[in-house]
Amino acid sequence: AQSVTQLDSQVPVFEEAPVELRCNYSSSVSVYLFWYVQYPNQGLQLLLKYLSGSTLVKGINGFEAEFNKSQTSFHLRKPSVHISDTAEYFCAASRGGNQGGKLIFGQGTELSVKP
Amino acid sequence: DGGITQSPKYLFRKEGQNVTLSCEQNLNHDAMYWYRQDPGQGLRLIYYSQIVNDFQKGDIAEGYSVSREKKESFPLTVTSAQKNPTAFYLCASSTIATNEKLFFGSGTQLSVL
Repeated sequence: AQSVTQLDSQVPVFEEAPVELRCNYSSSVSVYLFWYVQYPNQGLQLLLKYLSGSTLVKGINGFEAEFNKSQTSFHLRKPSVHISDTAEYFCAASRGGNQGGKLIFGQGTELSVKP
Repeated sequence: DGGITQSPKYLFRKEGQNVTLSCEQNLNHDAMYWYRQDPGQGLRLIYYSQIVNDFQKGDIAEGYSVSREKKESFPLTVTSAQKNPTAFYLCASSTIATNEKLFFGSGTQLSVL
């Protein structure tokens, strides 16, 4: 069965510092991978997605992620964070085929950016 | 503006009561989903529908029911059989062709009195 694991539940970081949010997935078949962001008391917004092709994916708000098949990872990075990046971040995997909308989510990582 | 509207934003349920959460979309999406969010557990799929008058159970469907009488609407009923209903409920939609990208509503927080 597919699963998605986010290795850190909370990541505190100072403003303008780099950040990496870690995500590992398990699957015996090809997967599509996503990062979503959730601001307090709101729904989720898509940051970026990997479907195929280049393993380095660029998203909105200066975020990027790298798909690593050998390590089954899809870590999210930003070289310099802002206070406004404070939010919860979810890694997710599609079940593939015609089940693409049925995502499997990780547990979430709370990013806290301090001045 | 196109989007997904969930109502109410906050909902309280009494013991033994059924409550219904509303989800409406004007994005002309075929597929709609209900997810439950609990702290530290991420999101889990309750029900989904890819076409009007048809829906399927997700991973945690027990204690919930849905209907899909119109393309735009996918209400979720939390029944009295759901013994731990306190959670944040998120509705989402997508097209079938590009169904990997989900568009989410702003959620309903359900609490038990």
